[in-house]
Amino acid sequence: ETGVTQTPRHLVMGMTNKKSLKCEQHLGHNAMYWYKQSAKKPLELMFVYSLEERVENNSVPSRFSPECPNSSHLFLHLHTLQPEDSALYLCASSQDYVKAGTVNTEAFFGQGTRLTVV
Amino acid sequence: SQQGEEDPQALSIQEGENATMNCSYKTSINNLQWYRQNSGRGLVHLILIRSNEREKHSGRLRVTLDTSKKSSSLLITASRAADTASYFCATRAGNMLTFGGGTRLMVKP
Repeated sequence: ETGVTQTPRHLVMGMTNKKSLKCEQHLGHNAMYWYKQSAKKPLELMFVYSLEERVENNSVPSRFSPECPNSSHLFLHLHTLQPEDSALYLCASSQDYVKAGTVNTEAFFGQGTRLTVV
Repeated sequence: SQQGEEDPQALSIQEGENATMNCSYKTSINNLQWYRQNSGRGLVHLILIRSNEREKHSGRLRVTLDTSKKSSSLLITASRAADTASYFCATRAGNMLTFGGGTRLMVKP
């Protein structure tokens, strides 16, 4: 256990469905991240939240909508996805580098949600 | 966009041998980190090296960083079958933590 929990672990959804991925961290971190990992492709950074404020959005399609209600929880809302969105979605948390200065800023990852869009 | 690129993409060695993986990146960084991923699971942090450091050790791991060449290497000594996994470098630049494509390491018993 890394202290970062993602639910569900597996999700199958149709292209017209709406679903949400949940991430929860109990490490006292103030930065959280969503990554997408597709087969044979590098991890793609999707969103970064620092102190509940979105600080990075890497040109992600609007069918992915993140939400960070507090520093311990992060959601990824999904709607009208495409089959090419099928991937492993990973959540991570860390101390915010900019505010933490030289403090160790390693990231802790959840086990991921394996998403299949049919 | 992808910041780090690992080389080789795949590496197969015998148990007891050393494994070396390389990472190159493109822009200025605050630190560089190495992670390990077992198949279909989350990533686990292995070691972090700051931009003003040149070498770091942790157990059987040795990491070097050459900021002039924008490159890093990860050496795993005396490999074990349990080291079989994918290894990723990640570069930290402010809020961004960006990963490379990874090296798939197979250690044969």
